[in-house]
Parts: sequence; C-alpha cells; structure tokens
Amino acid sequence: EVQLVESGGGLVQPGGSLRLSCAASGFTFRSYDIQWVRQAAGKGLEWVSGIGPSGDPYYPGSVRGPFTISRDNAKNSVYLQINTLRAGDTAIYYCARSMSSASGTYQFDYWGQGTLVTVSS
Amino acid sequence: DIQMTQSPSTLSASVGDRVTITCRASQSISSWLAWYQQKPGKAPQLLIYKTSNLESGVPSRFSGSGSGTEFTLTISSLQPDDFATYYCQQYSTYPLAFGQGTKVEI
Repeated sequence: EVQLVESGGGLVQPGGSLRLSCAASGFTFRSYDIQWVRQAAGKGLEWVSGIGPSGDPYYPGSVRGPFTISRDNAKNSVYLQINTLRAGDTAIYYCARSMSSASGTYQFDYWGQGTLVTVSS
Repeated sequence: DIQMTQSPSTLSASVGDRVTITCRASQSISSWLAWYQQKPGKAPQLLIYKTSNLESGVPSRFSGSGSGTEFTLTISSLQPDDFATYYCQQYSTYPLAFGQGTKVEI
C-alpha cells in the first residue's frame, strides 16, 4: 500500500525555521518525483516545491524563496526546509507522489494527510 | 509561468444535475491537465489525469475534455458524495500550477 506521511509541522515564531519530512512506503521511492503543496485555511492549493528522483529541485518562478527541498533515497524520505517563516506561510503542507518524466512530471496520484504549520508569536 | 483559471468559483447545484467546471491555461499545456477533488479536512484526491483519463475507482459520471488551453470537468448526474471543491492542475512544465478551485455546493 502506497503511503506518504508528513511530519515536522507545529507552531513557530515569525522569522523562525522548520524542516518538514515526508516518509514514503509501499512503492519504489527512487523512481518518483515528490511534491510539496500547501493550503492556507479556507484557501486553494499552492504548489511550493518538487524534487526529481536524483535530487533535482523545482521551485515556483525564478526565485526559490524560503524553501529548500531535498531527499534521501536510502531513507525513502523528502524534506522541505522553510526559512524566515512569515504569517503568510501558515498552512497545511501536503506531500504528494508523481511519476517522473523526461520533460517534467505527471499527475499527483497519492497524497499524504498533511502537516500543519502555524507561524505566530 | 503558466497560470490556471477556473470558473465558476462557486457552483450551486442539486442532486441529479449535470455540472460543468471550466479551466483555462494561460498558454498551451497540450493534454497535461489533472483534476482533483477535495472534501473538508481531507487531502485532495486525483480524479482525472491527462485531460480525460479516469483514475482507478473514480465513478464514470465524472469526465474530462479539452486540449491546449481550455478544459472542462463534467459530472453527468451529481450525487451527494460529489459536493466538494474541485481543482485543475497543469503539469506540462515546471513550475506546476493549480486553478483556484470550484466549490460545488447545494
């Protein structure tokens, strides 16, 4: 059974940092891209980062912003480092699986249950 | 970057209605479009990929069509379990992008 389990969320003060983890099981991890998507309360889905099987990172636009994505294929895990957190980063962060392609990626066929990040003093 | 625009933002419908949601891309994405359903407090679930392919287990009342820049999701006969928010997503190229969502309500 394919499973993605996020962890690492919590309450953090503005300006702080967090490292979110996505632990995968039930599939050949090194063959897939892993994506991070966030959702603020009452808002839509926002893609924030992705990583290819070999560790190639993808970010929105031309600026990475506060996010750094990485993966450890030996541990079947992907990490999202978020620095300089602001109130606007408060959201549920989901990780999702997508099959890698030569020119990009495919649809997100499995999602984790999400981890809540709250930025507040 | 490719922008995705969904319409309408909210749709009021009744059980048994035929419902259509539109998604437009700011440039051609060929057929690289997916639709997701999300219910309150739950993660999104994949409904349709590559414009018109139903994910395993998705009821046949759901269908997708389109190409290039204009796409539609149709629910042929709305069921009580279908009241949810629906998102389109382009995966033609990075950076990936979602539409803003369409809430289907009673």
